[in-house]
Amino acid sequence: EAGVVQSPRYKIIEKKQPVAFWCNPISGHNTLYWYRQNLGQGPELLIRYENEEAVDDSQLPKDRFSAERLKGVDSTLKIQPAELGDSAVYLCASSLYRGNSPLHFGNGTRLTVT
Amino acid sequence: AQKVTQAQTEISVVEKEDVTLDCVYETRDTTYYLFWYKQPPSGELVFLIRRNSFDEQNEISGRYSWNFQKSTSSFNFTITASQVVDSAVYFCALSEIQARTYKYIFGTGTRLKVLA
Repeated sequence: EAGVVQSPRYKIIEKKQPVAFWCNPISGHNTLYWYRQNLGQGPELLIRYENEEAVDDSQLPKDRFSAERLKGVDSTLKIQPAELGDSAVYLCASSLYRGNSPLHFGNGTRLTVT
Repeated sequence: AQKVTQAQTEISVVEKEDVTLDCVYETRDTTYYLFWYKQPPSGELVFLIRRNSFDEQNEISGRYSWNFQKSTSSFNFTITASQVVDSAVYFCALSEIQARTYKYIFGTGTRLKVLA
């Protein structure tokens, strides 16, 4: 079984530039999550999808962050414009069922905003 | 409110020592799930165990064991005879139903360093 795939692995951009992250979940996993992990902290949820529907985006800074999950498979997370405080690791995860299922994480994208 | 506390920021042990990682949670729900994840230096979080709120049986898997106590809202993780490969950040997580949806939150993690 292939795992969750994320790209790019690393990204360095200047502030005010746009950036996008891509995630391909495990086949058959309907639930997809985007988390942000700051240094020394646990992952914090940005958005959760059930198939194509964003069912929890309460923590997503909607003024600059957007996400989509077309066809209920791959997902893209975008930041425009990026700020210095956006430097973090962005993690994508998927799970088979809602709530009680373990999360399967990708390797993450380490974003550095200069 | 839903909350997961991992009070130990960092623990260092010498190889072959036993070590326990603490996790205390808060929830108003009677149905919830607890998890432990391992994040090695490579960065990818790896699932270790899941427990539901109705199953207080302790579990052992090789050198790993978990102690779930609802009376103290704790779900502690013990590594017996630690090895250098156990060095990682370990996260405890809680999933509960809120307003017909669910929330899945993580603690701040405990960094374990196992010294040779």
